[in-house]
Amino acid sequence: AQSVSQHNHHVILSEAASLELGCNYSYGGTVNLFWYVQYPGQHLQLLLKYFSGDPLVKGIKGFEAEFIKSKFSFNLRKPSVQWSDTAEYFCAVKPIGSEKLVFGKGTKLTVNP
Amino acid sequence: DTEVTQTPKHLVMGMTNKKSLKCEQHMGHRAMYWYKQKAKKPPELMFVYSYEKLSINESVPSRFSPECPNSSLLNLHLHALQPEDSALYLCASSQDYSGRGDEQFFGPGTRLTVL
Repeated sequence: AQSVSQHNHHVILSEAASLELGCNYSYGGTVNLFWYVQYPGQHLQLLLKYFSGDPLVKGIKGFEAEFIKSKFSFNLRKPSVQWSDTAEYFCAVKPIGSEKLVFGKGTKLTVNP
Repeated sequence: DTEVTQTPKHLVMGMTNKKSLKCEQHMGHRAMYWYKQKAKKPPELMFVYSYEKLSINESVPSRFSPECPNSSLLNLHLHALQPEDSALYLCASSQDYSGRGDEQFFGPGTRLTVL
């Protein structure tokens, strides 16, 4: 069965620190990859997505992610976090041709001012 | 219009009540989804509709009954729920599920409390 692993349950950073959240998936075929963010009390929003092409994708709010096919990884990065980035971050994988979007368990990011 | 709307925002119901959750999108998407999300957990898929036909039921109890009246609307009918069904119910839509470019757009959810 497909699965998505997010390595960090809770990450605490100070403003201006750099961020990297890990995401690995287990699926041998072609996949679409996503990072969603859920700010406190708000709905899931798409941060960025990878379908094909350049493995380094840029999303909203200064976030980027790199797809490394050989490592089945899609890590999320941001060079300098802000207090407003405090949220829950979900990595998700969707095999091509499948109806199912498989989510990781999420990483809670707390940014202290 | 890139929104998925859901009503109501909050719902409190007793275990003997019958209620419905509604979801609407006007993006021309042909796949629509219901998810259940418990606090501090990822969304769990419940149902998928594709071209107005139910294509996935993730072994959801029959007290949850989905309905897709047309390509823009998705309902979730609730009857005889249990307190453990209290959760945030999310609706999502995508262009379709089979090809590339099938990003899912999520609604704000309905916060359901079962007493």
